[in-house]
This record gives sequence, structure tokens and C-alpha cells, in this order.
Amino acid sequence: IQVSQSPSSLSASVGDRVTITCRASQGISSYLAWYQQKAGKAPKFLIYAASTLQSGVPSRFSGSGSGTDFTLTISSLQPEDFATYYCLQVNIYPWTFGQGTKVEIK
Amino acid sequence: QVQLVESGGGVVQPGRSLRLSCAASGFTFNKYGVHWVRQAPGKGLEWLAVISYDGRNKFYADSVKGRFTISRDNSKNTLDLQMDSLRTEDTAVYSCAKGYYDSSGVTALGLDHWGQGTLVTVSS
Repeated sequence: IQVSQSPSSLSASVGDRVTITCRASQGISSYLAWYQQKAGKAPKFLIYAASTLQSGVPSRFSGSGSGTDFTLTISSLQPEDFATYYCLQVNIYPWTFGQGTKVEIK
Repeated sequence: QVQLVESGGGVVQPGRSLRLSCAASGFTFNKYGVHWVRQAPGKGLEWLAVISYDGRNKFYADSVKGRFTISRDNSKNTLDLQMDSLRTEDTAVYSCAKGYYDSSGVTALGLDHWGQGTLVTVSS
């Protein structure tokens, strides 16, 4: 299963609403996870089952979608949210990551 | 707290082999599937392989199938990745990660803890 993530990068300001999309090449139900990675750090687990926030993740993060189309939304971008975000399909092995979206400061 | 610490990285020539290890602590190792993921310099994440909690089931990415072998030792809480026939495109930071499961403990929903990784450089 291939996963296409878009955009590859975006520029936004603090307080902006940001949306990142992943599209799977075939239906994966809700078996999608989202990660945040900062430079030189291990990825942080944000969301699983497409829309369930991992413990401790701020409520400004949300996920939606099922089947082939999924969205990660940051409702009000904070300074600590500037990072690269990845989706990961976990429906069937081999698992596959999206290509990543780098969120930069405008 | 959960800790995953990789070791074994280094510089290796194309066509040679290297074995990576991951030492796990802070959780009941023999109850979880564990994975390897890599990230080439300046590139995105690539999932590589998984081994089930009991070592019976293994799955690989197409890019490493037939060249890499995942294994585990539940008596030592360690995970290994044997990498053979290495190529220059295998140059990356290799990380181990713990599977995150649903309440039944059967369905994997992601990776919830990661190590910091070990760098493998394949170069002549």
C-alpha cells in the first residue's frame, strides 16, 4: 500500500490552522497513525486509529478520515509545532509512511 | 520508563554485512511486537521490518526483503537486525520501535516508543 502525503512543505504563522493530507492507494479502514518529528529527534506518536489522540497530545491536534483519505489538522499553530509530520498506514504489512510534511515558520 | 537503545552502526563497504542490536527496558518485552525503521540523511522515515512478540512472525519492506533478517531474544530483551549485501542506498539512521496495540493486544495501531537510532554508512 502506497501513501501519498501532501503538501511536502508549508509555511504558516503562529495561530494559523494547518491541514495535512494523506491518501492511501487502497482502503485501509482507520488504520492510520500520525507522527511529529523535530530535527535530530525520534518521532513523537500523535494520533492512532486515524482520529484518537495519544495520551498527552494537545487538543489542538486532530485527525480524521477513513478508507483512503485522511487529514491531520492543527487548529492553532504554536511555536513548538514547527516540525515535520508523517502519516503511517498500519493496516497491512509492509507498513508504509507518507513522504512527510515540513511545517515552517512564515 | 520505556527505553530502546540501538547499537552496532558504523561504516561498512558495499556488499558487506552488519548486525544491529536494540536493548529494550521499561516494559514487558515478550508481550510486544518490535520494529525497525530507518531514515536516510535528509529524507523521510522508512519502515523496514517487524517481529511478533514470540518471534514466530516476521514481515519486511520490499526494499530489504531477502537481505535483512530481524530476530529477537526474549531472555535478554534484545532485538537484532542482520543486514547483508549492503548497498550505498542503505545509508541511514536505523531505529528500533515498540508496537502500540489496541485493548485486545492483538491489533497493532502504530509505534509508541522509539530509540534514538544508530548510523549506518555504506561506502567504499
